[in-house]
Amino acid sequence: KAGVTQTPRYLIKTRGQQVTLSCSPISGHRSVSWYQQTPGQGLQFLFEYFSETQRNKGNFPGRFSGRQFSNSRSEMNVSTLELGDSALYLCASSPRGPFSYNEQFFGPGTRLTVL
Amino acid sequence: AQKVTQAQTEISVVEKEDVTLDCVYETRDTTYYLFWYKQPPSGELVFLIRRNSFDEQNEISGRYSWNFQKSTSSFNFTITASQVVDSAVYFCALSEAGAGGTSYGKLTFGQGTILTVHP
Repeated sequence: KAGVTQTPRYLIKTRGQQVTLSCSPISGHRSVSWYQQTPGQGLQFLFEYFSETQRNKGNFPGRFSGRQFSNSRSEMNVSTLELGDSALYLCASSPRGPFSYNEQFFGPGTRLTVL
Repeated sequence: AQKVTQAQTEISVVEKEDVTLDCVYETRDTTYYLFWYKQPPSGELVFLIRRNSFDEQNEISGRYSWNFQKSTSSFNFTITASQVVDSAVYFCALSEAGAGGTSYGKLTFGQGTILTVHP
């Protein structure tokens, strides 16, 4: 079974631009979560989608948004990029139901550098 | 609010030594899950173990063992006879049930412990 895939793996943007990152979950998984990892703040939860609906949201500004498609693939978008948005963005998928728990499986991440 | 603390920023050991990684958590939820993840230099987080709040039974799996104590809100992880390949960043994480189990998709991570195993 293929794991979680994220594209692109590396990305360089300049301040003020916007960026879209993509995540394909493990086949059959309906939940997708996004995390930001930086040296200063560590791993922080961005949001979770389940069946195309945002279920949970972390403490990030509105510049960070996401969506999930009917095939469970997910995208996240960051508008008006700032230097502080430079980070490793990790996507995780889970087979969990809407009110149950299952562990999350992580992709390799997208390394975003903002210049 | 939930919080996970890993007091050890870095640990350095020599191969074959035993090493314990500490994790302390805070939560008001009575139903929650605790995890350990490993992040090798490649960057991908690898799931190691989970425990739910109703299962305090400790476990040994090969060279890994876990000690979960609700009384002290701790979930420590031990590697026995460490190997160079164990070198990585280790994260402890917490997932709360929230209202009706809707918050399970959110993991709260500790700051991580960098483990270096020298040959």
